[in-house]
Amino acid sequence: GAGVSQTPSNKVTEKGKYVELRCDPISGHTALYWYRQSLGQGPEFLIYFQGTGAADDSGLPNDRFFAVRPEGSVSTLKIQRTERGDSAVYLCASSLGQGGKETQYFGPGTRLLVL
Amino acid sequence: AQSVSQHNHHVILSEAASLELGCNYSYGGTVNLFWYVQYPGQHLQLLLKYFSGDPLVKGIKGFEAEFIKSKFSFNLRKPSVQWSDTAEYFCAVKRAGNNRKLIWGLGTSLAVNP
Repeated sequence: GAGVSQTPSNKVTEKGKYVELRCDPISGHTALYWYRQSLGQGPEFLIYFQGTGAADDSGLPNDRFFAVRPEGSVSTLKIQRTERGDSAVYLCASSLGQGGKETQYFGPGTRLLVL
Repeated sequence: AQSVSQHNHHVILSEAASLELGCNYSYGGTVNLFWYVQYPGQHLQLLLKYFSGDPLVKGIKGFEAEFIKSKFSFNLRKPSVQWSDTAEYFCAVKRAGNNRKLIWGLGTSLAVNP
């Protein structure tokens, strides 16, 4: 596709529910990143995939958060037992995956609101 | 731990004024540096980046930034702003090499009055 796409654009859920957020990277990009941006803050790194494997998941805040990328393209960020503090914009980015000197291209984000 | 500080949280300018947004980082090793912009209703997009070489980097839309290693700084500049530059500006840093994790500042909201 032309750019990184994310669905849904908005998600409202209740505390304790499970949510899935989807990211479709730019075609041909093997690296994929998830960030979280709370109100008034800069993005915060969550996890980075190179191909199908999570190369760095050091930013996941706890075991309620999990992400997969089974075929090395689309990724799903999964949040179990959501809490009000999980409310944020979840950003996905992708890059070519050929080394550290790359630009990360961002999607529009999914705005998650936990009531 | 690495951190990034953006000194100005909200900036208001008139058109044609000059702009300088500060960015400092805390990390003693080699870094790669980025400025991203987010226009109202749009997603983050790269303005410019520095990996190595000439510390004065030119980006899109007339923006430039200067890496001063001794000051751990990467300030963004534009000699004459336009109303269309109204946006949120983010500085980001990552460790050089294969590391991919971007560490971000809080952002600076720029409003340019026509």
